[in-house]
Amino acid sequence: NAGVTQTPKFRILKIGQSMTLQCTQDMNHNYMYWYRQDPGMGLKLIYYSVGAGITDKGEVPNGYNVSRSTTEDFPLRLELAAPSQTSVYFCASSPDRAAYNEQFFGPGTRLTVL
Amino acid sequence: AQKVTQAQTEISVVEKEDVTLDCVYETRDTTYYLFWYKQPPSGELVFLIRRNSFDEQNEISGRYSWNFQKSTSSFNFTITASQVVDSAVYFCALNADRETGRRALTFGSGTRLQVQP
Repeated sequence: NAGVTQTPKFRILKIGQSMTLQCTQDMNHNYMYWYRQDPGMGLKLIYYSVGAGITDKGEVPNGYNVSRSTTEDFPLRLELAAPSQTSVYFCASSPDRAAYNEQFFGPGTRLTVL
Repeated sequence: AQKVTQAQTEISVVEKEDVTLDCVYETRDTTYYLFWYKQPPSGELVFLIRRNSFDEQNEISGRYSWNFQKSTSSFNFTITASQVVDSAVYFCALNADRETGRRALTFGSGTRLQVQP
Protein backbone atom coordinates (compact mmCIF):
# COMPACT_ATOMS: atom_id res chain seq x y z
CA ASN A 1 0.00 0.00 0.00
CA ALA A 2 1.88 3.05 -1.26
CA GLY A 3 -0.71 5.57 -0.01
CA VAL A 4 -0.53 8.88 -1.88
CA THR A 5 2.31 9.28 -4.34
CA GLN A 6 3.36 12.44 -6.17
CA THR A 7 5.69 13.03 -9.06
CA PRO A 8 8.00 14.77 -9.63
CA LYS A 9 9.63 15.55 -6.28
CA PHE A 10 11.33 18.69 -7.60
CA ARG A 11 10.92 20.80 -10.70
CA ILE A 12 12.24 24.10 -12.01
CA LEU A 13 10.16 25.86 -14.64
CA LYS A 14 10.72 28.97 -16.67
CA ILE A 15 8.08 31.68 -16.71
CA GLY A 16 5.37 30.80 -19.21
CA GLN A 17 6.06 27.07 -19.30
CA SER A 18 3.40 24.50 -18.45
CA MET A 19 3.54 21.28 -16.50
CA THR A 20 1.41 18.65 -14.83
CA LEU A 21 1.92 17.50 -11.26
CA GLN A 22 0.88 13.90 -10.87
CA CYS A 23 -0.95 12.45 -7.87
CA THR A 24 -2.06 8.86 -7.39
CA GLN A 25 -3.61 7.11 -4.41
CA ASP A 26 -4.19 3.39 -3.96
CA MET A 27 -6.60 3.53 -1.01
CA ASN A 28 -9.77 3.79 -3.12
CA HIS A 29 -10.53 7.18 -1.58
CA ASN A 30 -13.23 9.27 -3.18
CA TYR A 31 -12.02 12.66 -1.94
CA MET A 32 -8.79 14.14 -3.24
CA TYR A 33 -7.25 17.56 -2.71
CA TRP A 34 -4.46 19.79 -3.93
CA TYR A 35 -2.86 22.22 -1.51
CA ARG A 36 0.03 24.61 -1.87
CA GLN A 37 2.39 25.62 0.91
CA ASP A 38 4.23 28.89 0.54
CA PRO A 39 7.33 29.52 2.67
CA GLY A 40 6.46 30.06 6.33
CA MET A 41 2.77 29.56 5.68
CA GLY A 42 0.14 26.92 6.16
CA LEU A 43 -1.39 24.95 3.35
CA LYS A 44 -4.02 26.52 1.14
CA LEU A 45 -6.55 24.54 -0.89
CA ILE A 46 -6.26 24.87 -4.68
CA TYR A 47 -8.79 22.35 -5.98
CA TYR A 48 -10.57 19.31 -4.68
CA SER A 49 -12.55 16.40 -6.06
CA VAL A 50 -15.33 14.36 -4.51
CA GLY A 51 -15.10 11.55 -7.03
CA ALA A 52 -14.23 10.68 -10.60
CA GLY A 53 -15.52 13.35 -12.97
CA ILE A 54 -16.29 15.89 -10.23
CA THR A 55 -13.94 18.72 -9.30
CA ASP A 56 -14.36 22.10 -7.67
CA LYS A 57 -12.31 25.17 -6.82
CA GLY A 58 -10.71 25.79 -3.49
CA GLU A 59 -9.34 28.96 -2.00
CA VAL A 60 -6.57 29.70 -4.55
CA PRO A 61 -7.48 28.12 -7.92
CA ASN A 62 -6.23 30.82 -10.31
CA GLY A 63 -3.55 29.59 -12.69
CA TYR A 64 -4.34 25.92 -12.19
CA ASN A 65 -6.57 23.26 -13.69
CA VAL A 66 -7.46 19.75 -12.59
CA SER A 67 -9.19 16.68 -13.92
CA ARG A 68 -10.32 13.44 -12.30
CA SER A 69 -10.96 10.70 -14.81
CA THR A 70 -10.31 7.84 -12.37
CA THR A 71 -10.64 7.34 -8.62
CA GLU A 72 -6.89 6.88 -8.31
CA ASP A 73 -5.50 9.89 -10.19
CA PHE A 74 -5.87 13.62 -9.65
CA PRO A 75 -3.36 15.58 -11.77
CA LEU A 76 -2.82 19.31 -11.32
CA ARG A 77 -2.00 21.34 -14.42
CA LEU A 78 -0.12 24.63 -14.36
CA GLU A 79 -0.57 26.71 -17.48
CA LEU A 80 1.75 29.67 -18.10
CA ALA A 81 3.82 29.29 -14.96
CA ALA A 82 4.49 32.46 -12.95
CA PRO A 83 6.98 33.16 -10.11
CA SER A 84 4.01 33.43 -7.72
CA GLN A 85 3.44 29.71 -8.25
CA THR A 86 6.77 28.86 -6.65
CA SER A 87 5.64 26.68 -3.77
CA VAL A 88 5.46 23.16 -2.38
CA TYR A 89 2.42 21.30 -3.65
CA PHE A 90 0.75 18.58 -1.63
CA CYS A 91 -1.85 16.14 -2.80
CA ALA A 92 -4.10 14.49 -0.22
CA SER A 93 -6.98 12.04 -0.08
CA SER A 94 -9.68 10.97 2.33
CA PRO A 95 -12.23 8.17 2.15
CA ASP A 96 -15.47 10.14 2.18
CA ARG A 97 -17.08 13.48 2.93
CA ALA A 98 -17.08 13.19 6.70
CA ALA A 99 -15.22 16.05 8.29
CA TYR A 100 -13.68 13.79 10.91
CA ASN A 101 -11.64 11.94 8.34
CA GLU A 102 -7.93 12.28 8.53
CA GLN A 103 -6.44 13.37 5.23
CA PHE A 104 -3.53 11.34 3.91
CA PHE A 105 -0.85 13.47 2.30
CA GLY A 106 1.64 12.74 -0.40
CA PRO A 107 5.33 13.68 0.03
CA GLY A 108 4.97 16.94 -1.89
CA THR A 109 6.39 18.46 -5.07
CA ARG A 110 8.74 21.42 -4.72
CA LEU A 111 8.25 23.74 -7.70
CA THR A 112 10.38 26.76 -8.54
CA VAL A 113 9.41 29.15 -11.32
CA LEU A 114 12.24 31.39 -12.56
CA ALA B 1 -15.37 32.04 7.54
CA GLN B 2 -13.14 29.43 9.04
CA LYS B 3 -9.82 30.55 10.41
CA VAL B 4 -6.99 28.99 12.38
CA THR B 5 -4.41 31.14 14.14
CA GLN B 6 -1.07 29.92 15.40
CA ALA B 7 0.44 33.05 16.85
CA GLN B 8 3.81 31.49 17.71
CA THR B 9 5.91 31.55 14.55
CA GLU B 10 8.94 29.90 16.07
CA ILE B 11 9.80 28.42 19.46
CA SER B 12 13.22 27.31 20.61
CA VAL B 13 13.69 25.14 23.69
CA VAL B 14 16.42 23.05 25.22
CA GLU B 15 15.98 19.31 25.33
CA LYS B 16 13.83 18.03 28.22
CA GLU B 17 11.91 21.28 28.53
CA ASP B 18 8.14 21.21 28.22
CA VAL B 19 6.66 23.28 25.41
CA THR B 20 3.10 24.29 24.50
CA LEU B 21 2.02 25.19 20.99
CA ASP B 22 -1.06 27.40 20.82
CA CYS B 23 -3.92 27.11 18.36
CA VAL B 24 -7.01 29.33 18.22
CA TYR B 25 -9.77 28.68 15.72
CA GLU B 26 -12.90 30.37 14.37
CA THR B 27 -15.92 28.75 12.83
CA ARG B 28 -19.67 29.30 12.78
CA ASP B 29 -20.38 25.58 12.68
CA THR B 30 -21.35 23.71 15.81
CA THR B 31 -19.89 20.46 14.52
CA TYR B 32 -16.25 20.57 13.56
CA TYR B 33 -13.01 18.69 13.86
CA LEU B 34 -9.58 19.86 14.85
CA PHE B 35 -6.33 18.26 13.82
CA TRP B 36 -2.64 18.56 14.52
CA TYR B 37 -0.07 17.62 11.89
CA LYS B 38 3.71 17.47 12.20
CA GLN B 39 6.01 18.42 9.31
CA PRO B 40 9.58 17.25 10.04
CA PRO B 41 12.54 18.64 8.07
CA SER B 42 12.02 15.92 5.46
CA GLY B 43 8.81 17.74 4.46
CA GLU B 44 6.04 15.19 4.71
CA LEU B 45 2.91 15.80 6.78
CA VAL B 46 2.33 13.41 9.65
CA PHE B 47 -1.09 13.18 11.29
CA LEU B 48 -0.91 13.44 15.11
CA ILE B 49 -4.43 13.79 16.47
CA ARG B 50 -8.07 14.55 15.69
CA ARG B 51 -10.63 16.01 18.12
CA ASN B 52 -14.33 16.64 17.53
CA SER B 53 -16.22 19.64 18.82
CA PHE B 54 -18.35 17.59 21.21
CA ASP B 55 -15.48 16.01 23.05
CA GLU B 56 -13.62 18.40 25.35
CA GLN B 57 -11.74 15.68 27.14
CA ASN B 58 -8.01 16.22 27.12
CA GLU B 59 -5.91 13.60 25.44
CA ILE B 60 -2.50 12.25 26.31
CA SER B 61 -0.34 10.08 24.12
CA GLY B 62 3.07 9.42 25.58
CA ARG B 63 4.88 12.76 25.81
CA TYR B 64 2.17 14.51 23.80
CA SER B 65 -0.99 16.01 25.26
CA TRP B 66 -3.77 18.16 23.86
CA ASN B 67 -6.01 20.62 25.66
CA PHE B 68 -9.26 21.48 23.88
CA GLN B 69 -11.25 24.38 25.34
CA LYS B 70 -14.40 25.30 23.47
CA SER B 71 -15.00 28.34 25.64
CA THR B 72 -11.80 29.96 24.36
CA SER B 73 -11.82 28.25 20.91
CA SER B 74 -8.40 26.82 21.58
CA PHE B 75 -6.77 23.47 20.91
CA ASN B 76 -3.29 23.61 22.40
CA PHE B 77 -0.58 20.99 22.07
CA THR B 78 1.99 20.26 24.77
CA ILE B 79 5.16 18.23 24.40
CA THR B 80 6.58 17.09 27.72
CA ALA B 81 10.33 16.50 28.08
CA SER B 82 11.03 17.61 24.53
CA GLN B 83 13.57 15.76 22.40
CA VAL B 84 15.65 16.80 19.40
CA VAL B 85 13.47 14.55 17.20
CA ASP B 86 10.51 16.78 18.04
CA SER B 87 12.05 19.56 15.96
CA ALA B 88 9.55 20.22 13.19
CA VAL B 89 6.83 22.56 12.02
CA TYR B 90 3.52 21.81 13.68
CA PHE B 91 0.22 22.70 12.03
CA CYS B 92 -3.17 23.01 13.60
CA ALA B 93 -6.08 22.51 11.17
CA LEU B 94 -9.86 22.74 11.21
CA ASN B 95 -12.53 20.93 9.22
CA ALA B 96 -16.07 22.21 9.74
CA ASP B 97 -19.08 20.20 8.71
CA ARG B 98 -21.01 22.71 6.71
CA GLU B 99 -19.39 26.12 6.61
CA THR B 100 -17.44 25.78 3.38
CA GLY B 101 -18.97 22.59 2.03
CA ARG B 102 -15.57 21.54 0.80
CA ARG B 103 -14.62 19.05 3.49
CA ALA B 104 -11.10 20.37 3.21
CA LEU B 105 -8.80 21.42 5.99
CA THR B 106 -8.17 25.02 6.93
CA PHE B 107 -4.61 25.23 8.20
CA GLY B 108 -2.90 27.62 10.56
CA SER B 109 0.41 29.09 9.46
CA GLY B 110 2.37 26.65 11.60
CA THR B 111 4.78 26.86 14.53
CA ARG B 112 8.40 25.92 13.97
CA LEU B 113 9.78 24.13 17.03
CA GLN B 114 13.53 23.88 17.46
CA VAL B 115 14.72 21.60 20.24
CA GLN B 116 18.38 22.21 21.07
CA PRO B 117 20.46 19.39 22.58
